[in-house]
Amino acid sequence: DQQVKQNSPSLSVQEGRISILNCDYTNSMFDYFLWYKKYPAEGPTFLISISSIKDKNEDGRFTVFLNKSAKHLSLHIVPSQPGDSAVYFCAASVPSQGNLIFGKGTKLSVKP
Amino acid sequence: KAGVTQTPRYLIKTRGQQVTLSCSPISGHRSVSWYQQTPGQGLQFLFEYFSETQRNKGNFPGRFSGRQFSNSRSEMNVSTLELGDSALYLCASSSLGGRSSGTDTQYFGPGTRLTVL
Repeated sequence: DQQVKQNSPSLSVQEGRISILNCDYTNSMFDYFLWYKKYPAEGPTFLISISSIKDKNEDGRFTVFLNKSAKHLSLHIVPSQPGDSAVYFCAASVPSQGNLIFGKGTKLSVKP
Repeated sequence: KAGVTQTPRYLIKTRGQQVTLSCSPISGHRSVSWYQQTPGQGLQFLFEYFSETQRNKGNFPGRFSGRQFSNSRSEMNVSTLELGDSALYLCASSSLGGRSSGTDTQYFGPGTRLTVL
């Protein structure tokens, strides 16, 4: 049973426009959510995170929104750049366990 | 500050052999977690070590084991390798292992690509 779901395997966006990546979860015990960016044959790079006590966190071009009632979070990238092209993973953790549970990822392609 | 390092980066083994992978966490981080990434299953948690103790374990067979040393460096071992063990093995470190208020971020190394023939 997948606790973290990224239902869009891929997304294509024009350079300069907004990229919106979505993630749904089922476990109401998750209290910390993270987004990672990954290139092939490399480890995931941490992008941005949000605690369950917040509904928005912003860092430069990246903003994460959390809707606890809908068990949904999203990552907004504005403006999108060709260098943002990568696979984006959503992850969540439960405080008593300490491990991350990942979605399957969304491949973002930003076209010049 | 140096990031998480993993050695070796690439490894080719044959079925039945065993392998040991190494991970050095970010300086000051006491928690090391291991993950397996495959195309079909995505990123899956193997185990987590904190202060030389395994605190959490994922759903993997006993052929997968690990340990952590007093300097927080960690090794993972896979015995009796199977073809399905071919994967990217990722190590991540964090300060507290996510046990606090849920704000402890895990930082990943570049991974070890294991190919089993």
